[in-house]
Amino acid sequence: DIQMTQSPSSLSASVGDRVTITCRASQSISTYLNWYQQKPGRAPKLLIYAASSLQSGVPSRFSGSGSGTDFTLTINSLQPEDFATYYCQQSHSPSRTFGQGTKVEIK
Amino acid sequence: EVQLVESGGGLVQPGGSLRLSCSASGFTLSSFAMYWVRQAPGKGLEYVSLITSNAVSTYYADSVKGRVTISRDNSKNMVYLQMSSLRAEDTAVYHCVRLGYSRNWAVQEDWYYYMDVWGKGTTVTVSS
Repeated sequence: DIQMTQSPSSLSASVGDRVTITCRASQSISTYLNWYQQKPGRAPKLLIYAASSLQSGVPSRFSGSGSGTDFTLTINSLQPEDFATYYCQQSHSPSRTFGQGTKVEIK
Repeated sequence: EVQLVESGGGLVQPGGSLRLSCSASGFTLSSFAMYWVRQAPGKGLEYVSLITSNAVSTYYADSVKGRVTISRDNSKNMVYLQMSSLRAEDTAVYHCVRLGYSRNWAVQEDWYYYMDVWGKGTTVTVSS
């Protein structure tokens, strides 16, 4: 199975900050990489697919980049509603494994 | 409105069985592969099982293989997860998830896949 490793596991940031989360795959997955946001008690929400394509309805302050094994999710000008846990996911194989998550907390 | 609604969760003793159901609405179920994804309390997301749109192929995580069966009835807009020999480590919220797709124009006959519609989940608790 392809292993996905996110860093950091958690971070503290302030409203207006630029936040970057990294995801690394255990083998090359081209651009078959998705990002999700999950708030407590809620189902995950798709933010970005194909490494950099913004899902319909997602604010443009979210962006994704990368290919091969290294990927990044960037949130420009963090908003109060962005405090949540973020997961990367590979879509190269049917198991579609997730990273362990990055919790973005209020500083 | 595109929606997935799970049911069938509950408290079950170790070694017991449960059948989870997922009702789909607002889209043509037969056009999409479907997943079950679970989340143990305080933990991350874990793939459980996948069934292709026509039910020809199914896949299972190693952690549930041999104990779980995924199925679907496109005529009833339903997806199911039959679980048996349940263990404490199966305790989790189980989400039914649609696998969306978009064409990868850079590669011939290739597609990008992503989990674009999630149900709120049904809670399974395995405890004596």
